[in-house]
Amino acid sequence: NAGVTQTPKFQVLKTGQSMTLQCAQDMNHEYMSWYRQDPGMGLRLIHYSVGAGITDQGEVPNGYNVSRSTTEDFPLRLLSAAPSQTSVYFCASSYRVNDQPQHFGDGTRLSIL
Amino acid sequence: SQQGEEDPQALSIQEGENATMNCSYKTSINNLQWYRQNSGRGLVHLILIRSNEREKHSGRLRVTLDTSKKSSSLLITASRAADTASYFCATGAGTSGSRLTFGEGTQLTVNP
Repeated sequence: NAGVTQTPKFQVLKTGQSMTLQCAQDMNHEYMSWYRQDPGMGLRLIHYSVGAGITDQGEVPNGYNVSRSTTEDFPLRLLSAAPSQTSVYFCASSYRVNDQPQHFGDGTRLSIL
Repeated sequence: SQQGEEDPQALSIQEGENATMNCSYKTSINNLQWYRQNSGRGLVHLILIRSNEREKHSGRLRVTLDTSKKSSSLLITASRAADTASYFCATGAGTSGSRLTFGEGTQLTVNP
């Protein structure tokens, strides 16, 4: 098992550009989520999905879109990048959300200039 | 706002000593989880303790939960330099479809 795979590992964007952060898991997990981690602020939930075709907003969803067409993939789209979106982005998955361990990817480090 | 708050924010100890980190939360939970994050890596799950449990062990880790005080502690015994990492608590509430909420973490440094 590869677990949770995130690509790319690093990315630099210019303000206004769009891009998609990829997340894939091979554990047949129903629940997937995206977090951002900023210094001194812990992890904040952006969007999550409880299964294919079902997504919902987290704590900080503005400026991000998600879709879940398959169980395995959960891409995160930045529509028009802003410097405030400079952060480290983590994808996680689990069988269920709050009573099962979350499996995390190694993150995507994103800088917006 | 964050549900869990870790204390202290940073902790520096010598190898062989015990390390204790605390987590406080505000609302009722059905479980609390602890995670470790090594520098530049994702979070790794350590222990999950349910609201009807008071203590749980895993190797050198001991987690306690006091629901009356809305707090939990993580004890790492006989620490090693490899334990140097950030440690986060995460709380789960409501139904199994509900979110996990993470605290801001404790940075542990174990000096050889």
